[in-house]
Amino acid sequence: GDSVTQMEGPVTLSEEAFLTINCTYTATGYPSLFWYVQYPGEGLQLLLKATKADDKGSNKGFEATYRKETTSFHLEKGSVQVSDSAVYFCALTGGSYIPTFGRGTSLIVHP
Amino acid sequence: NAGVTQTPKFQVLKTGQSMTLQCAQDMNHNSMYWYRQDPGMGLRLIYYSASEGTTDKGEVPNGYNVSRLNKREFSLRLESAAPSQTSVYFCASTQLPGLAGEQFFGPGTRLTVL
Repeated sequence: GDSVTQMEGPVTLSEEAFLTINCTYTATGYPSLFWYVQYPGEGLQLLLKATKADDKGSNKGFEATYRKETTSFHLEKGSVQVSDSAVYFCALTGGSYIPTFGRGTSLIVHP
Repeated sequence: NAGVTQTPKFQVLKTGQSMTLQCAQDMNHNSMYWYRQDPGMGLRLIYYSASEGTTDKGEVPNGYNVSRLNKREFSLRLESAAPSQTSVYFCASTQLPGLAGEQFFGPGTRLTVL
């Protein structure tokens, strides 16, 4: 079946540092890929997505590129802020009704 | 647009009590989902409803039942609560299940079973 593997957290950074959160996947066919963000006490919300190979999703300074050759969708941001502290989930949807989520990576940004 | 709403936000139950978690969406989405989130476990799918009138089990359905009341509403019932059901419950919906179908999540219900 489909699966998503994310790097374990927490990831702890200082403000203005560069962020990478790794995500790799296993799926049949050509899935769509997503990053969701969950702020404390809230539900998940879509951060960005990519629906085909080599697509780059971007939002709020975050970027991720759909790499079919390495089955990866790593999340990056050039300069993180304290307000980016949250849990980040990588996910995929294929041909079924059920999406597959990674376990989430906690990001803590210190001033 | 309120998006996905859930009630209640918090609930404390005693073992053996029953309760229903309510979920509604105003985006005219076809598919709705119930997840639970536990520390270190990520999101686990309890039940989903691909379309009005259908429901199916997810990864962890034991101890739960669901009702897709109409296109807007999807409720989750705990008939006899157990401490293992202490968790944060999220409802989600999507217009396009499958490819390109982003999910919209509610704010969650934080349930404690004593």
